[in-house]
Amino acid sequence: NAGVMQNPRHLVRRRGQEARLRCSPMKGHSHVYWYRQLPEEGLKFMVYLQKENIIDESGMPKERFSAEFPKEGPSILRIQQVVRGDSAAYFCASSRRFLAGGSYNEQFFGPGTRLTVL
Amino acid sequence: GQQLNQSPQSMFIQEGEDVSMNCTSSSIFNTWLWYKQDPGEGPVLLIALYKAGELTSNGRLTAQFGITRKDSFLNISASIPSDVGIYFCAGPRGGSGGSNYKLTFGKGTLLTVNP
Repeated sequence: NAGVMQNPRHLVRRRGQEARLRCSPMKGHSHVYWYRQLPEEGLKFMVYLQKENIIDESGMPKERFSAEFPKEGPSILRIQQVVRGDSAAYFCASSRRFLAGGSYNEQFFGPGTRLTVL
Repeated sequence: GQQLNQSPQSMFIQEGEDVSMNCTSSSIFNTWLWYKQDPGEGPVLLIALYKAGELTSNGRLTAQFGITRKDSFLNISASIPSDVGIYFCAGPRGGSGGSNYKLTFGKGTLLTVNP
């Protein structure tokens, strides 16, 4: 079974360019989450998506950032007009459909995309 | 927002030594998770704790869910070089629809093991 796949693994952009990060969830998983990790920090939740739906984007900056999970194909995290402060590792995680009772549903993480903005 | 405080920030130990690290929170968590992150990779779940007071082992790793539900610790016994990495505690907190999916992570403990 392939795990969560992310590409590219490394991405270099100049200020003002666009960055597109892709995530393919594990087989059988229909829930995708994006997290950002700044240097020497823990991961921080950005957005939670199901197929064709954004469920919770409360952790995502209001401007320049967007995410989608189309019916076909990978989930995409898009950052427009990147700035140096966007340099970070971006991780995608996926899980199965939720269990009843509000219990935690294990998220499996991909290897991340390391974005460097020059 | 909720924060998880991990200590120590880093540890340098000799191969074969035991290691202990902990995590505290100002808020209650109903689940505690311990992850390991190798350089250039994503976090991998080591142990999940679901009940206050619970003590769970996974090989040489042992973790406990504090009685107050505001803390947890992770022990590694007889460390080996491949234990090197960053260890994170994390807790899921509520999201929409009553489901707990938003993981809050501590800043991590960097472990270095000298052969």
